[in-house]
Amino acid sequence: AQSVTQLGSHVSVSEGALVLLRCNYSSSVPPYLFWYVQYPNQGLQLLLKYTTGATLVKGINGFEAEFKKSETSFHLTKPSAHMSDAAEYFCAVSAHRDNYGQNFVFGPGTRLSVLP
Amino acid sequence: NAGVTQTPKFQVLKTGQSMTLQCAQDMNHNSMYWYRQDPGMGLRLIYYSASEGTTDKGEVPNGYNVSRLNKREFSLRLESAAPSQTSVYFCASSERGGVSTDTQYFGPGTRLTVL
Repeated sequence: AQSVTQLGSHVSVSEGALVLLRCNYSSSVPPYLFWYVQYPNQGLQLLLKYTTGATLVKGINGFEAEFKKSETSFHLTKPSAHMSDAAEYFCAVSAHRDNYGQNFVFGPGTRLSVLP
Repeated sequence: NAGVTQTPKFQVLKTGQSMTLQCAQDMNHNSMYWYRQDPGMGLRLIYYSASEGTTDKGEVPNGYNVSRLNKREFSLRLESAAPSQTSVYFCASSERGGVSTDTQYFGPGTRLTVL
């Protein structure tokens, strides 16, 4: 079975500071990992995903994440926070399930606040 | 393209009432999903449809039914609403279904309150 943990339900950073959102996963099969962002009162949209190949993945809006198998981690970073980055961020692991195909297991989410 | 659309955006029900949440996608995707989002719990899968005419239970199916009306539409029905079903409901779709690397595309959500 897959599971995802996100350290810190709420993270605050100053505008221009480094953003680091942590994600650790457990999976009995090679994981496919995703980061989604949810802006207030909106649905989720994909930031980036790791499937195979290069372990450093670049996404939209300047975000990137690195898959580290030895640490079972997929932390999300951005060098310089912008006010518009304030949102909730979800890490997810995807697995194929025999009964019903693809199943996402989402972490509980981390709310990012950006202070002026 | 509108992507994934959901109606209604907000709904308040009394315990025991029924209602249907509607979802449609215009991306010609094969798979569609219903999730619920509760504070501190992320999103949990309620039901899944790999293709037109098929549906399967997810992690939290009790109290819900679904219909895959056609390739575009996937509805979620609450037959007898309970306060525990107060949540935000998201519909999503993905292109191929059963492919773990596929991206899921989400609708804007329906905020449901059951009194």
